[in-house]
Amino acid sequence: DAGVTQSPTHLIKTRGQQVTLRCSPISGHKSVSWYQQVLGQGPQFIFQYYEKEERGRGNFPDRFSARQFPNYSSELNVNALLLGDSALYLCASSQWDRGSEAFFGQGTRLTVV
Amino acid sequence: KQEVTQIPAALSVPEGENLVLNCSFTDSAIYNLQWFRQDPGKGLTSLLLIQSSQREQTSGRLNASLDKSSGRSTLYIAASQPGDSATYLCAANTGNQFYFGTGTSLTVIP
Repeated sequence: DAGVTQSPTHLIKTRGQQVTLRCSPISGHKSVSWYQQVLGQGPQFIFQYYEKEERGRGNFPDRFSARQFPNYSSELNVNALLLGDSALYLCASSQWDRGSEAFFGQGTRLTVV
Repeated sequence: KQEVTQIPAALSVPEGENLVLNCSFTDSAIYNLQWFRQDPGKGLTSLLLIQSSQREQTSGRLNASLDKSSGRSTLYIAASQPGDSATYLCAANTGNQFYFGTGTSLTVIP
């Protein structure tokens, strides 16, 4: 079985631009979560989606948004990019919305210049 | 708010040594605790998951323990190998999100 897949793997954007990151969960998993990892830090929670509904949101500005599709894949959108948005964006796939093991993708490295 | 701390921040050991990585969390109301491995610039690889009702889990040379009442977990690595060199992260699951520590960077010297 394929693991969690994220695309693209690397991305360079200019300040003020918008970016869309994509994630496909493990087959059978209905929950997708997004995390931001800045260099040298642990991942920080951005969103959780379960059955196409937002179930949790971390402390991130409204420039960050996400959605989940009927096939359980997900997109993370970031508008009006800032230099501080440069980070590794990780997608996690879980079977249920609460308390189940999380499996992470390889991440998307976003660089804002 | 849940806070997770990992000690030490970095560790360098000779090949073959047994070692212990520590993780502490402030809120004992967790569903589970998960240990991950991260290689430079890569995603997270799940190592062990301990449910809140469990005391420990083992996988090969890895053993993780959980003491929910004291807010502590340890990851024990037996007979370390150079291939174990990576950053190890613990994460406390409070329901719909994980709270991560900043990790322990492990270097195993051949």
